[in-house]
Amino acid sequence: ELKVEQNPLFLSMQEGKNYTIYCNYSTTSDRLYWYRQDPGKSLESLFVLLSNGAVKQEGRLMASLDTKARLSTLHITAAVHDLSATYFCAGPQGGSEKLVFGKGTKLTVNP
Amino acid sequence: GAVVSQHPSRVICKSGTSVKIECRSLDFQATTMFWYRQFPKQSLMLMATSNEGSKATYEQGVEKDKFLINHASLTLSTLTVTSAHPEDSSFYICSARDGGSGGYEQYFGPGTRLTVT
Repeated sequence: ELKVEQNPLFLSMQEGKNYTIYCNYSTTSDRLYWYRQDPGKSLESLFVLLSNGAVKQEGRLMASLDTKARLSTLHITAAVHDLSATYFCAGPQGGSEKLVFGKGTKLTVNP
Repeated sequence: GAVVSQHPSRVICKSGTSVKIECRSLDFQATTMFWYRQFPKQSLMLMATSNEGSKATYEQGVEKDKFLINHASLTLSTLTVTSAHPEDSSFYICSARDGGSGGYEQYFGPGTRLTVT
């Protein structure tokens, strides 16, 4: 059964700084998802990573996938306050479409 | 991108009553939809997989007689919380994949916040 672990669970950073959120998963997976959730809202899709070595970037966020290490990262560059949210990674359970989510990383960007 | 809607967005009901939540794929057909539950400050937990034209499959620990799922068409799945109790208060979110697009993107509905008093 797939287990997904994120760290850190809480991240407080200053505007302009860089940081990385890590997502480790326990069994082989051919894809990995990243989502953003604002308070009281549902999930917003950020990235779908489909292969080993995949790297995707959108604005100040860049995600990568290393299937051999069973690791995905979400890198934040020059953080701004608008990036404050909870970020989840998720992987498909056993080759199905069912997603198993990490516990989430609550990011707070301080001015 | 594809859009998934949910209705209602918020509902308050009394203990012992039933509540129905609708999940619709607006611009694509979904043979499979998923229902998740999220308690405050926690992650999403998959409750069940809704299959068009057949019975839903439930995750371990989810009572199928309490959480009734019906997937009557390729664009609509409903979740009915029967005999709701305060511990059922949660944020319920559905998702679907647009299989017709050939992609792996899963689209999430805006969620339904259920409060049982």
